[in-house]
Amino acid sequence: QSALTQPASVSGSPGESITISCTGTSSDVGGYNRVSWYQQHPGKAPKLMIYEVSKRPSGVSNRFSGSKSGNTASLTISGLQAEDEGDYYCCSYVGSNHVVFGGGTKLTVL
Amino acid sequence: EVQLVESGGVVVQPGGSLRLSCAASGFTFTNYSMHWVRQAPGKGLEWVSVVNWDGSHTYYAESVKGRFTIFRDNSRGSLFLQMNSLGAEDSALYYCTKEHYSGWPSIDSWGQGTLVTVSS
Repeated sequence: QSALTQPASVSGSPGESITISCTGTSSDVGGYNRVSWYQQHPGKAPKLMIYEVSKRPSGVSNRFSGSKSGNTASLTISGLQAEDEGDYYCCSYVGSNHVVFGGGTKLTVL
Repeated sequence: EVQLVESGGVVVQPGGSLRLSCAASGFTFTNYSMHWVRQAPGKGLEWVSVVNWDGSHTYYAESVKGRFTIFRDNSRGSLFLQMNSLGAEDSALYYCTKEHYSGWPSIDSWGQGTLVTVSS
């Protein structure tokens, strides 16, 4: 199973909105509404930001939102803040009790 | 508060074996599937394996299938990963993780990781 495709890096200025894409196939992202997004700060464990494509866990800011169209899932961060800087990973169920992560996207807040 | 504390990571020679442990607390351990996820230095996340609540079902990434075994001891609230025939590609920080109530692929709790280095 190949990793999902994410842009290596994205950037934005404070207050702006950015979107990170996560492209798979009809066998993973497109086939299931089971896409999650994780945020990871340097030296820290990942944190769940979005589950089931667009749901936010308790405690996650509503500036984070998720969506999906076809084989591509997206994470949008609005009102960008310095603390949002870090690495972001998407993850999708791929059937047969397996999951696959995206390669990760480094978000820089300018 | 959920706590996941991994241990067992060391430097091991290629072809060697290692067992990782994870002590879980702060939640009802038997209510959740548990996963191991790894991250090579400077690289992305890679799902490794999952075990269901009672240990009756286990699944593995193709990269570790046949070499790694995941199991749990519900009486002790512990998760394990037995790793055999280790290669350089297995060098990584191994995270013990708890599945979110919504199921795969959502993980809502992570340990701080235990570092495995495969080197001669």
